[in-house]
Amino acid sequence: DGGITQSPKYLFRKEGQNVTLSCEQNLNHDAMYWYRQDPGQGLRLIYYSQIVNDFQKGDIAEGYSVSREKKESFPLTVTSAQKNPTAFYLCASSGQGYTGELFFGEGSRLTVL
Amino acid sequence: AQSVAQPEDQVNVAEGNPLTVKCTYSVSGNPYLFWYVQYPNRGLQFLLKYITGDNLVKGSYGFEAEFNKSQTSFHLKKPSALVSDSALYFCAVRDGGSQGNLIFGKGTKLSVKP
Repeated sequence: DGGITQSPKYLFRKEGQNVTLSCEQNLNHDAMYWYRQDPGQGLRLIYYSQIVNDFQKGDIAEGYSVSREKKESFPLTVTSAQKNPTAFYLCASSGQGYTGELFFGEGSRLTVL
Repeated sequence: AQSVAQPEDQVNVAEGNPLTVKCTYSVSGNPYLFWYVQYPNRGLQFLLKYITGDNLVKGSYGFEAEFNKSQTSFHLKKPSALVSDSALYFCAVRDGGSQGNLIFGKGTKLSVKP
C-alpha cells in the first residue's frame, strides 16, 4: 500500500545527542514536510521541500536540519542545539500542488532525558 | 498573513446528537481550507477540503463542512455523533493568493459520550 513511513515510533535520547528521524514515502509526491506537535500548540512547520535537492526553513527551523537527496526520503535531524526537543514529530507529503491535501505518517515521539 | 483559529479547546457531545467543531480563518486571497482528525499517538488523517465551488463539502466518515465567505468560517459538522468520533480535530488553511504553506489551528478535542 502507498503511504508514508516514519521511524522510529518512539525514541529516547540523552541531552546533547543528535537524533535522526526517518521519513519515507512511496506516493511519488514531490513535496515533503516536517511538523512538530506539542500539546495545545497545534502543528508547527520545521522544514519543507518542494523538490529533490532543495528545502526551505519553516517557522521553527532552529536546531533542526534536513536533507532531500531522494524523492522518497526526507530525514530530519534534531541537533543538540534544539533547546527543547521533546515532542511528537510528524512527516507529511503532498502531490497536487497548492490545492492538494497533505498525507501524514504515524509520527515519531522523541523524549530527551 | 494567513491564520486559522479554532475557538474551542474542547467540544462535548452526546452520542447521536449533531456535532459542530468551529474554525475561522484569515487570508488575503482565496482560501483553501482543510479538516484533519488525529487519534492518540497517531498521524493526522484527511477528512475533507474546500477549494472552490459548493459551500457544503462532504468528506470521510459522514463529516461535512460549510464554507461561509462572509463570516470567514469553515465549521465541521456531523448529523449524528459516534463515540468513535472522539479525537483531536484540526482545521488548516492555505492562502491561494500567495500559495503559502498550510497553516494549522491549535486543534479541538471532541469528546462524544454514550
